Amino acid sequence: KQEVTQIPAALSVPEGENLVLNCSFTDSAIYNLQWFRQDPGKGLTSLLLIQSSQREQTSGRLNASLDKSSGRSTLYIAASQPGDSATYLCAVRRNTDKLIFGTGTRLQVFP
Amino acid sequence: DVKVTQSSRYLVKRTGEKVFLECVQDMDHENMFWYRQDPGLGLRLIYFSYDVKMKEKGDIPEGYSVSREKKERFSLILESASTNQTSMYLCATIGTQGPYEQYFGPGTRLTVT
Repeated sequence: KQEVTQIPAALSVPEGENLVLNCSFTDSAIYNLQWFRQDPGKGLTSLLLIQSSQREQTSGRLNASLDKSSGRSTLYIAASQPGDSATYLCAVRRNTDKLIFGTGTRLQVFP
Repeated sequence: DVKVTQSSRYLVKRTGEKVFLECVQDMDHENMFWYRQDPGLGLRLIYFSYDVKMKEKGDIPEGYSVSREKKERFSLILESASTNQTSMYLCATIGTQGPYEQYFGPGTRLTVT
């Protein structure tokens, strides 16, 4: 059974720092991996999607990498800002239907 | 852009009431999902649907049912609401062609008193 773990559970950093959020999964037979952002009381916003054949994806200050063989993905946020404060979730898809979610990393960026 | 809307952002219902949560998507996606999200438990899949009138149980279907009469609309039904169904409910959608990116609605915060 696929399990997805995110470390750390919470992170507090000063504005301007570069930071890395980690996601690990137990079954490397994935179709893709998706990173989401969730603001308090809101839905999930898709940030990046990496196909199993890809090693990384970039969008603005965000870079996500995937090492399928070791069951790991990282989300790198460059030059963090207070507006980046949110919970970040990763999710893996085994086939074309269900996503398996991690429990998230709650990020606070203070001025 | 994919747009997924949910009928209510906040809902307060009494124990025993029948509750309908509606989700509508505008991208002609075949697959639709209902999740609930609780602190410490993360997102859990309740039901999903591959097509009109098709439904599949997720990980926690007990106490819920669903309806998909039209492709764009997927309804979650709580037949007799209970306090342990107080939660954030999230609808999501995905197409049947790659890259299979999942899109979520804004969520409905349901409180059952």
